[in-house]
Amino acid sequence: GAVVSQHPSWVICKSGTSVKIECRSLDFQATTMFWYRQFPKQSLMLMATSNEGSKATYEQGVEKDKFLINHASLTLSTLTVTSAHPEDSSFYICSARDSTGTSGRVSTGELFFGEGSRLTVL
Amino acid sequence: AQSVTQLGSHVSVSEGALVLLRCNYSSSVPPYLFWYVQYPNQGLQLLLKYTSAATLVKGINGFEAEFKKSETSFHLTKPSAHMSDAAEYFCAVSALTSGSRLTFGEGTQLTVNP
Repeated sequence: GAVVSQHPSWVICKSGTSVKIECRSLDFQATTMFWYRQFPKQSLMLMATSNEGSKATYEQGVEKDKFLINHASLTLSTLTVTSAHPEDSSFYICSARDSTGTSGRVSTGELFFGEGSRLTVL
Repeated sequence: AQSVTQLGSHVSVSEGALVLLRCNYSSSVPPYLFWYVQYPNQGLQLLLKYTSAATLVKGINGFEAEFKKSETSFHLTKPSAHMSDAAEYFCAVSALTSGSRLTFGEGTQLTVNP
């Protein structure tokens, strides 16, 4: 099945630094990717919708200058947490929609999730 | 707008017993409904989905769910729990295709006792 890879899986950084998390669709193209945040023992909260070649759409209450999203290609979206603080510590999960098939395969429109990235800000 | 409510943040069953995880939804348009499973420190894996076809949906690992419009429910069941089923389960709803934005429920932690 389709695979979405996130990197890094774990990251620890100092307060005030910026951290970049990558989300890659490995065997399909994704014009749309979604970024979620999950606090311990809680559900996933949609942060933003990442659209290839255009600006991301942020959910209400999510600071776009804090969480920079770039979707420069059909297989890669990045989330950069700028000037990270301890309250930004969380589990970040991306998902990608199979929007265009590759190698002759028909697009399924299916949504696939990455393995998640755990950010700890000291 | 869509929303999902999962009744019971924790469910505990014995190995071999019936698993029932409850999910009720609210949607202003015909919904698409999903159940995902999450193991610790991992992403989400799709168990099954309802997309307006058969109301009884069968998924992976022996799970199934039934869409009941009159009850606005989409409960997840499995006849016989296995130790490996212990995980967090999320019900989700979207208004369009399976690739659209999802709204998740609060999650239910399933514990399977030997």
